[in-house]
Amino acid sequence: AQSVTQLDSQVPVFEEAPVELRCNYSSSVSVYLFWYVQYPNQGLQLLLKYLSGSTLVKGINGFEAEFNKSQTSFHLRKPSVHISDTAEYFCAVSDANFNKFYFGSGTKLNVKP
Amino acid sequence: NAGVTQTPKFQVLKTGQSMTLQCAQDMNHNSMYWYRQDPGMGLRLIYYSASEGTTDKGEVPNGYNVSRLNKREFSLRLESAAPSQTSVYFCASSENVGALQKEQYFGPGTRLTVT
Repeated sequence: AQSVTQLDSQVPVFEEAPVELRCNYSSSVSVYLFWYVQYPNQGLQLLLKYLSGSTLVKGINGFEAEFNKSQTSFHLRKPSVHISDTAEYFCAVSDANFNKFYFGSGTKLNVKP
Repeated sequence: NAGVTQTPKFQVLKTGQSMTLQCAQDMNHNSMYWYRQDPGMGLRLIYYSASEGTTDKGEVPNGYNVSRLNKREFSLRLESAAPSQTSVYFCASSENVGALQKEQYFGPGTRLTVT
């Protein structure tokens, strides 16, 4: 079965600093890749997605992610974070082998003033 | 276009009571899902339905049943609630591209407390 690993459960960072949230997956076959954001007491909102084409994907709120097939990674980056980016971020993979969605365990981003 | 709607938003049950969580989507998606989210556990799949008339178990199906009433609606039933089922429940839907699921769209969640 597919597995999705988010290496950091919590990432503290100061406002206006850059941030990278890491995500690795295990499948080597066709996949779609996603990042979701969840603000406190809310549902999950799609941040960005990779379906095909350019490996650098831009999303909402200034976030971007790069699909690296050889390293089976899909890391999320933002060059300068804001307090309002404080939330939990989930990486997800859609795997053609299993016709399922797989979520990572989440990374809590805590932006400090 | 409401997306994915869930009812109720909040519910408190006593141990042993039953209830059904309702979910509906208006995006004509084939696939629908039920997840539970607990602190530190991420999202865990309870059941999913790849198409109308089919349902399959996910990672944590025990204590739950589902019904895919039609293409729009996918309900989750707790027959005899237990405190371990205290959680936030999310419904989601997605479109298929062959065997691949495109992005999932989530409902706002149902916060369930079992005392």
